[in-house]
Parts: sequence; C-alpha cells; structure tokens
Amino acid sequence: ETGVTQSPTHLIKTRGQQVTLRCSSQSGHNTVSWYQQALGQGPQFIFQYYREEENGRGNFPPRFSGLQFPNYSSELNVNALELDDSALYLCASSLDQAGSYEQYFGPGTRLTVT
Amino acid sequence: ILNVEQSPQSLHVQEGDSTNFTCSFPSSNFYALHWYRWETAKSPEALFVMTLNGDEKKKGRISATLNTKEGYSYLYIKGSQPEDSATYLCAFFTGRRALTFGSGTRLQVQP
Repeated sequence: ETGVTQSPTHLIKTRGQQVTLRCSSQSGHNTVSWYQQALGQGPQFIFQYYREEENGRGNFPPRFSGLQFPNYSSELNVNALELDDSALYLCASSLDQAGSYEQYFGPGTRLTVT
Repeated sequence: ILNVEQSPQSLHVQEGDSTNFTCSFPSSNFYALHWYRWETAKSPEALFVMTLNGDEKKKGRISATLNTKEGYSYLYIKGSQPEDSATYLCAFFTGRRALTFGSGTRLQVQP
C-alpha cells in the first residue's frame, strides 16, 4: 500500500448538497493532486495543491474547491452536487522536486449523488 | 486537449498466456509516461515511470517499452497469473502538474 489514505470510503448525497472528501498524504510529500474517475473512463485531473496553494487546475467548475493543510493533508469540497458528480475521487501525493515524477494514490472515495 | 488511448479495452486470457497492451500518447511536450496497475478496491499501484525514448523497464514478469518519437508504449506480461487480473492504466505527464490518463485495459486471467 502507498500510505495515502482517504475518507470516507463511500458516500451518498442528494443533488444540491455539499460534500467534503479527505486525503492524508504519504509522509514527506508536499504536493497533493485530486482526480475524478467516472464510470468507464480514466481518472481526470481536478486540481493540485503545493504548500497550501492551488498549483494547477483541470477543466472543473469553481464549485470544486480544495484545501491543503500545514501537515499536507487535503480536502476536496464540492458544492451544489449534480448527478454527474457521481464518481470515484482519488487523491495522489507526491514530492515536488526535480526528477521526481511519481504520484502515490489513495484507494479513493466513491461518491453517489441521487 | 491531450489524448491518451489504450487498447484493448479488455482482455481475457488463460493462465500461462503472455499478453501485451498498448498506450498511445502525444509525441510532443513529452516528459514522462507512467504505468499503473489497479486492482478493484485498492489504490492504483505505480509499475513504471518511463522518461527516455527507447526505455525498457522490467519488474518480475512485467515489462514495458517506450517510443516517444512515435508516441506509444507497450506493457508486456509474460506467463499471466490470476493475480495479474487488474486494470492497467497509462498516464502521460507533460511536466505541468497533471497526469493525463487513458481509460485503461482490464485484464482477466482465468485459472
């Protein structure tokens, strides 16, 4: 296992509600990325945080937001949930330094929006 | 928009068979190509990070090759075992933060 943990494992929410997903990075890693995996697709990049600042964003609306804390743990917040937000959400931690490309993934949070 | 394609989408083989999958990616702005192995209900596990044209990497019965000029990578599994059953993902990295993933190849190895 990678040492990256995510909570909760599963979550069911109603359309219009808000949700917070949590990720604990691997020890020593200063960067966390979030990905959304819809059924039948590969994971898609949502955003990345480095030293508590957003460091890049994919093609996701502003209702997807995040935080990174001083201990490098992270949250993904989604407001005004839509049915299409139902997916597996993965976080990945990495060390942002030259020559280091590996990202270490958690097991994901399965979000179902009804 | 970066396009990473994987084929086949799924594969069923018998134990002992050797198999291979393909990952196609843009040949420009190449930085690295990642291969992940992902078992159901577990974290994606990094297999290889490949950076140089002509790179060949091996881990046990699994190996991978890289051609950055034509934009493809092959993953080979020799003598497939039931525990190799998983989804194999490749991801293209431009050096600008995000991995761009293919949709994966789902491998099922029958005992």
